[in-house]
Amino acid sequence: AQSVTQLDSHVSVSEGTPVLLRCNYSSSYSPSLFWYVQHPNKGLQLLLKYTSAATLVKGINGFEAEFKKSETSFHLTKPSAHMSDAAEYFCVVSDTGGFKTIFGAGTRLFVKA
Amino acid sequence: NAGVTQTPKFRILKIGQSMTLQCTQDMNHNYMYWYRQDPGMGLKLIYYSVGAGITDKGEVPNGYNVSRSTTEDFPLRLELAAPSQTSVYFCASSSGQFTGNTIYFGEGSWLTVV
Repeated sequence: AQSVTQLDSHVSVSEGTPVLLRCNYSSSYSPSLFWYVQHPNKGLQLLLKYTSAATLVKGINGFEAEFKKSETSFHLTKPSAHMSDAAEYFCVVSDTGGFKTIFGAGTRLFVKA
Repeated sequence: NAGVTQTPKFRILKIGQSMTLQCTQDMNHNYMYWYRQDPGMGLKLIYYSVGAGITDKGEVPNGYNVSRSTTEDFPLRLELAAPSQTSVYFCASSSGQFTGNTIYFGEGSWLTVV
Protein backbone atom coordinates (compact mmCIF):
# COMPACT_ATOMS: atom_id res chain seq x y z
CA ALA A 1 0.00 0.00 0.00
CA GLN A 2 1.12 3.50 -0.72
CA SER A 3 1.36 6.32 1.73
CA VAL A 4 3.09 9.65 2.05
CA THR A 5 3.88 11.52 5.24
CA GLN A 6 4.93 15.12 5.40
CA LEU A 7 6.67 15.35 8.72
CA ASP A 8 5.95 19.02 9.43
CA SER A 9 2.62 20.76 9.07
CA HIS A 10 4.31 24.18 9.38
CA VAL A 11 7.85 25.38 8.77
CA SER A 12 9.04 28.89 9.46
CA VAL A 13 12.34 30.28 8.16
CA SER A 14 13.92 33.67 7.78
CA GLU A 15 14.49 35.12 4.35
CA GLY A 16 17.88 34.09 3.02
CA THR A 17 18.15 30.95 5.16
CA PRO A 18 17.85 27.35 3.93
CA VAL A 19 14.54 25.58 3.53
CA LEU A 20 13.96 21.91 4.36
CA LEU A 21 10.54 20.31 3.91
CA ARG A 22 10.47 16.66 4.83
CA CYS A 23 8.60 13.86 3.11
CA ASN A 24 8.63 10.11 3.74
CA TYR A 25 6.80 7.64 1.57
CA SER A 26 5.97 3.99 1.31
CA SER A 27 5.23 2.17 -1.90
CA SER A 28 5.04 -1.44 -3.00
CA TYR A 29 6.43 -0.58 -6.40
CA SER A 30 8.99 1.80 -7.82
CA PRO A 31 7.30 5.10 -7.17
CA SER A 32 7.26 8.40 -8.92
CA LEU A 33 7.52 11.28 -6.49
CA PHE A 34 6.52 14.87 -6.93
CA TRP A 35 6.54 18.14 -5.06
CA TYR A 36 3.78 20.64 -5.80
CA VAL A 37 3.43 24.18 -4.50
CA GLN A 38 0.14 25.96 -3.86
CA HIS A 39 0.07 29.71 -3.38
CA PRO A 40 -2.97 31.19 -1.63
CA ASN A 41 -6.17 30.84 -3.63
CA LYS A 42 -4.33 29.19 -6.49
CA GLY A 43 -4.11 25.73 -8.00
CA LEU A 44 -1.18 23.40 -7.49
CA GLN A 45 1.94 23.93 -9.55
CA LEU A 46 4.58 21.27 -10.16
CA LEU A 47 7.94 22.09 -8.56
CA LEU A 48 9.82 18.93 -9.49
CA LYS A 49 9.45 15.20 -10.00
CA TYR A 50 11.46 12.03 -9.60
CA THR A 51 10.88 9.20 -12.07
CA SER A 52 13.72 6.70 -11.47
CA ALA A 53 16.40 8.71 -13.22
CA ALA A 54 18.87 10.85 -11.25
CA THR A 55 18.21 10.72 -7.53
CA LEU A 56 18.89 14.44 -7.10
CA VAL A 57 16.16 16.33 -8.87
CA LYS A 58 16.27 20.03 -9.62
CA GLY A 59 13.07 21.97 -9.96
CA ILE A 60 11.86 25.47 -10.53
CA ASN A 61 12.67 28.51 -8.39
CA GLY A 62 15.88 26.98 -6.99
CA PHE A 63 14.23 24.01 -5.27
CA GLU A 64 15.64 20.52 -5.37
CA ALA A 65 14.88 17.17 -3.80
CA GLU A 66 16.83 13.98 -3.26
CA PHE A 67 15.31 10.54 -3.56
CA LYS A 68 16.76 8.26 -0.87
CA LYS A 69 15.44 4.76 -1.27
CA SER A 70 17.15 3.42 1.85
CA GLU A 71 15.44 6.10 3.94
CA THR A 72 12.21 6.17 1.86
CA SER A 73 12.50 9.92 1.82
CA PHE A 74 12.10 12.70 -0.71
CA HIS A 75 12.91 15.90 1.15
CA LEU A 76 12.60 19.28 -0.55
CA THR A 77 15.33 21.85 -0.08
CA LYS A 78 16.30 25.32 -1.16
CA PRO A 79 19.55 27.04 -0.18
CA SER A 80 18.06 30.47 0.40
CA ALA A 81 14.42 31.26 1.09
CA HIS A 82 12.65 34.14 -0.58
CA MET A 83 9.50 35.85 0.59
CA SER A 84 7.72 34.60 -2.53
CA ASP A 85 8.35 30.99 -1.40
CA ALA A 86 5.71 31.34 1.31
CA ALA A 87 3.07 28.81 0.28
CA GLU A 88 1.76 25.31 0.91
CA TYR A 89 3.87 22.43 -0.36
CA PHE A 90 2.59 18.95 -1.15
CA CYS A 91 4.60 15.78 -1.52
CA VAL A 92 2.94 13.31 -3.86
CA VAL A 93 3.63 9.64 -4.59
CA SER A 94 2.41 7.90 -7.70
CA ASP A 95 2.50 4.14 -8.00
CA THR A 96 3.35 2.29 -11.18
CA GLY A 97 1.33 -0.67 -9.98
CA GLY A 98 -1.98 0.92 -10.77
CA PHE A 99 -3.89 4.13 -10.79
CA LYS A 100 -2.85 5.52 -7.43
CA THR A 101 -1.69 9.00 -6.64
CA ILE A 102 -1.49 9.93 -2.98
CA PHE A 103 -1.07 13.47 -1.69
CA GLY A 104 0.57 14.33 1.57
CA ALA A 105 -1.29 16.57 4.00
CA GLY A 106 0.87 19.55 3.06
CA THR A 107 3.49 21.72 4.75
CA ARG A 108 2.86 25.41 5.13
CA LEU A 109 6.06 27.40 4.66
CA PHE A 110 6.30 30.78 6.33
CA VAL A 111 9.14 33.13 5.39
CA LYS A 112 10.02 35.93 7.79
CA ALA A 113 11.65 39.15 6.66
CA ASN B 1 -2.06 28.44 -23.08
CA ALA B 2 -5.11 28.05 -20.83
CA GLY B 3 -4.35 24.57 -19.42
CA VAL B 4 -7.11 23.47 -17.04
CA THR B 5 -9.98 25.89 -16.57
CA GLN B 6 -12.68 25.41 -13.98
CA THR B 7 -15.72 27.48 -13.11
CA PRO B 8 -17.13 28.94 -10.97
CA LYS B 9 -14.34 30.16 -8.72
CA PHE B 10 -16.64 30.73 -5.75
CA ARG B 11 -20.12 29.54 -4.99
CA ILE B 12 -22.44 29.43 -2.00
CA LEU B 13 -25.10 26.75 -2.04
CA LYS B 14 -27.99 26.06 0.26
CA ILE B 15 -28.44 22.59 1.71
CA GLY B 16 -30.27 20.40 -0.76
CA GLN B 17 -29.45 22.47 -3.83
CA SER B 18 -27.61 21.03 -6.81
CA MET B 19 -24.91 22.47 -8.98
CA THR B 20 -22.30 21.58 -11.56
CA LEU B 21 -18.65 22.52 -11.47
CA GLN B 22 -17.36 22.88 -14.98
CA CYS B 23 -13.88 21.80 -16.06
CA THR B 24 -12.22 21.95 -19.44
CA GLN B 25 -8.65 21.34 -20.58
CA ASP B 26 -6.98 22.24 -23.86
CA MET B 27 -3.96 19.93 -23.63
CA ASN B 28 -5.65 16.93 -25.25
CA HIS B 29 -5.09 14.91 -22.08
CA ASN B 30 -6.85 11.59 -21.75
CA TYR B 31 -6.84 11.55 -17.95
CA MET B 32 -8.92 13.97 -15.95
CA TYR B 33 -9.60 14.14 -12.22
CA TRP B 34 -11.64 15.87 -9.59
CA TYR B 35 -10.14 16.38 -6.16
CA ARG B 36 -11.38 18.04 -3.04
CA GLN B 37 -9.16 19.76 -0.52
CA ASP B 38 -10.26 20.21 3.06
CA PRO B 39 -8.35 22.43 5.52
CA GLY B 40 -5.15 20.81 6.75
CA MET B 41 -5.62 17.82 4.49
CA GLY B 42 -4.10 16.66 1.29
CA LEU B 43 -6.17 16.29 -1.83
CA LYS B 44 -8.68 13.49 -1.97
CA LEU B 45 -9.70 12.02 -5.30
CA ILE B 46 -13.44 12.16 -5.99
CA TYR B 47 -13.70 10.79 -9.52
CA TYR B 48 -11.40 10.28 -12.44
CA SER B 49 -11.66 9.53 -16.13
CA VAL B 50 -9.22 7.79 -18.44
CA GLY B 51 -10.91 8.96 -21.60
CA ALA B 52 -14.16 10.12 -23.14
CA GLY B 53 -17.03 7.93 -22.02
CA ILE B 54 -15.08 6.32 -19.16
CA THR B 55 -15.30 7.40 -15.54
CA ASP B 56 -14.53 5.75 -12.25
CA LYS B 57 -14.82 6.43 -8.55
CA GLY B 58 -11.95 7.70 -6.51
CA GLU B 59 -11.53 7.78 -2.77
CA VAL B 60 -14.51 9.99 -1.83
CA PRO B 61 -17.22 9.73 -4.53
CA ASN B 62 -20.37 9.82 -2.40
CA GLY B 63 -22.63 12.77 -3.18
CA TYR B 64 -21.05 13.48 -6.55
CA ASN B 65 -21.48 12.48 -10.16
CA VAL B 66 -19.40 13.04 -13.26
CA SER B 67 -19.60 12.58 -16.99
CA ARG B 68 -17.03 12.67 -19.76
CA SER B 69 -18.67 13.14 -23.13
CA THR B 70 -15.62 14.77 -24.72
CA THR B 71 -11.88 14.67 -24.16
CA GLU B 72 -11.88 18.33 -23.11
CA ASP B 73 -14.69 18.47 -20.57
CA PHE B 74 -15.19 16.77 -17.22
CA PRO B 75 -18.01 18.35 -15.19
CA LEU B 76 -18.64 17.44 -11.57
CA ARG B 77 -22.21 17.46 -10.33
CA LEU B 78 -23.25 17.85 -6.72
CA GLU B 79 -26.74 16.53 -6.03
CA LEU B 80 -28.46 17.54 -2.81
CA ALA B 81 -25.62 19.60 -1.39
CA ALA B 82 -24.65 18.98 2.22
CA PRO B 83 -22.45 21.00 4.61
CA SER B 84 -19.87 18.20 4.45
CA GLN B 85 -19.31 19.15 0.82
CA THR B 86 -17.98 22.56 1.78
CA SER B 87 -14.49 22.38 0.36
CA VAL B 88 -12.15 23.55 -2.36
CA TYR B 89 -12.48 21.53 -5.54
CA PHE B 90 -9.71 21.06 -8.05
CA CYS B 91 -10.02 19.72 -11.54
CA ALA B 92 -6.84 18.28 -13.04
CA SER B 93 -5.58 16.44 -16.07
CA SER B 94 -2.60 14.41 -17.21
CA SER B 95 -1.47 12.80 -20.43
CA GLY B 96 -1.49 9.30 -19.03
CA GLN B 97 -1.22 6.97 -16.14
CA PHE B 98 2.37 6.05 -16.74
CA THR B 99 5.09 6.75 -14.26
CA GLY B 100 6.06 10.36 -14.00
CA ASN B 101 3.11 11.94 -15.72
CA THR B 102 2.65 15.43 -14.40
CA ILE B 103 -0.83 16.31 -13.20
CA TYR B 104 -1.91 19.81 -14.18
CA PHE B 105 -4.38 21.57 -11.93
CA GLY B 106 -7.01 24.20 -12.36
CA GLU B 107 -7.11 27.14 -9.97
CA GLY B 108 -9.81 25.71 -7.76
CA SER B 109 -13.46 26.27 -6.95
CA TRP B 110 -14.38 27.34 -3.42
CA LEU B 111 -17.75 25.90 -2.48
CA THR B 112 -19.65 26.68 0.71
CA VAL B 113 -22.83 24.84 1.61
CA VAL B 114 -24.99 26.62 4.20
